[in-house]
Amino acid sequence: AQKITQTQPGMFVQEKEAVTLDCTYDTSDPSYGLFWYKQPSSGEMIFLIYQGSYDQQNATEGRYSLNFQKARKSANLVISASQLGDSAMYFCAMGSSNDYKLSFGAGTTVTVRA
Amino acid sequence: EAGVAQSPRYKIIEKRQSVAFWCNPISGHATLYWYQQILGQGPKLLIQFQNNGVVDDSQLPKDRFSAERLKGVDSTLKIQPAKLEDSAVYLCASSSTEKTQYFGPGTRLLVL
Repeated sequence: AQKITQTQPGMFVQEKEAVTLDCTYDTSDPSYGLFWYKQPSSGEMIFLIYQGSYDQQNATEGRYSLNFQKARKSANLVISASQLGDSAMYFCAMGSSNDYKLSFGAGTTVTVRA
Repeated sequence: EAGVAQSPRYKIIEKRQSVAFWCNPISGHATLYWYQQILGQGPKLLIQFQNNGVVDDSQLPKDRFSAERLKGVDSTLKIQPAKLEDSAVYLCASSSTEKTQYFGPGTRLLVL
């Protein structure tokens, strides 16, 4: 069974600053993937970034980077240079390499202040 | 490229009524997923299709929920009869041979 834990229910960040969202996971699968999604108030889940368990380098996508620490089973998301449009709920998710059915964490609400 | 389409966007029904949601995945995506997202929680997988076959429906409450993807393209999720606890956002997602799932805008269901 897979389990995703996001311990920060809500965070405030000042515009143009960086913010780190925590995610820890537990799985018995030897090969898996970790995902981050953004969900604005409109409700749509927007894919942000992916990290494979065997990837040697941390994933980056524009202002998003994933701090993957396999031994600690953590996959934190870093958003650099925060913008007002980054205010949303952020979900960490994982799936095994067999089928990539996703298990989601409870999410972290980010509010960017001007 | 068009994204995942879902309709309706909003639905309000009374308990014990039935309701159906429709999803059209991204063109060429063989795998289709339905998720239920209760307010304040992360999405929970209900059912996964590969083309027109069911891969996993272990989390689908089969006494009241049903889903089909007859031609391996669009899909319908039905609830009959609805209960108050079915109030949630129903998200459809699709994926190709890649790992990433792309989600539609969701259907917000309120059961009164």
